[in-house]
Amino acid sequence: EVQLVQSGAEVKKPGESLKISCKGSGYSFSSYWIGWVRQMPGKGLEWMGIIYPDDSETRNSPSFQGQVTISADKSISTAYLQWSSLKASDTAMYYCARPAYGDKQFDYWGQGTLVTVSS
Amino acid sequence: EIVLTQSPGTLSLSPGERATLSCRASQSVTSYLAWYQQKPGQAPRLLIYGASSRATGIPDRFSGSGSGTDFSLTISRLEPEDFAVYYCQQYGSSPKTFGQGTKLEIK
Repeated sequence: EVQLVQSGAEVKKPGESLKISCKGSGYSFSSYWIGWVRQMPGKGLEWMGIIYPDDSETRNSPSFQGQVTISADKSISTAYLQWSSLKASDTAMYYCARPAYGDKQFDYWGQGTLVTVSS
Repeated sequence: EIVLTQSPGTLSLSPGERATLSCRASQSVTSYLAWYQQKPGQAPRLLIYGASSRATGIPDRFSGSGSGTDFSLTISRLEPEDFAVYYCQQYGSSPKTFGQGTKLEIK
C-alpha cells in the first residue's frame, strides 16, 4: 500500500528557517515523482512543484520559484520542502502528493503539514 | 500558465439530485484534466483523471467529460457524503494548475 507520511505541525516566527518532510513507503520511492501543494487558510489548492527522487530533477511553479526549495533523499525515501526565511504569508497547510505514474495527476496524498508563521 | 475557471462557486442541491460542475481552461489541455474532492480537515482525493476515467474505488455516480478547454464533473445522484469542495487540475503543462474550487452544499 502506497503511503505518504508527513512531518508534524510547525509554529515558527517570521525570518526563521524550516524544512518539512514527506516519507514514502509501499513503493519504490526513487522511481516516482512526488510533489507539493499549498492550501492557505480557507483557500484553494496551489501546485508548488515536483521532484523525481532518482536524479532530483525538479519542476517548480514560477509562483514559488526562489521562495521554497524542493529536495529529496532517496536513501531514506523522503521528500522535503524548505524555507530559508519564513513570512507570515507562508502560513498554510502543505500537502505532499504522488502521481500513479509520470508527472501527472496526484493519485496519493499525505495527510498534510500545517505551518503557522506568527510573531 | 494555464488558468482554470470553475463554475459555479457554490452549488446548493439536495441529496438525490444531479450535480454538474464546470471547469474551463484558458488554453487547451487536451484530456489532461483531473477532478478532486476535498472534505473539511482532509487531504484532497482523486476522483477523475484523463478527463473521464474514474480513479480506483470511486463510485460510478461520479463521471467526467470534456476535452480541450471545457470540462464537467457530474454526480448523478447526490449522496450525503458527496457534499464537499471539488477542484479541477490540469496536468498538460507546467505549472500544473488547479481551479479555484466549487463548494457543493446541502440545500
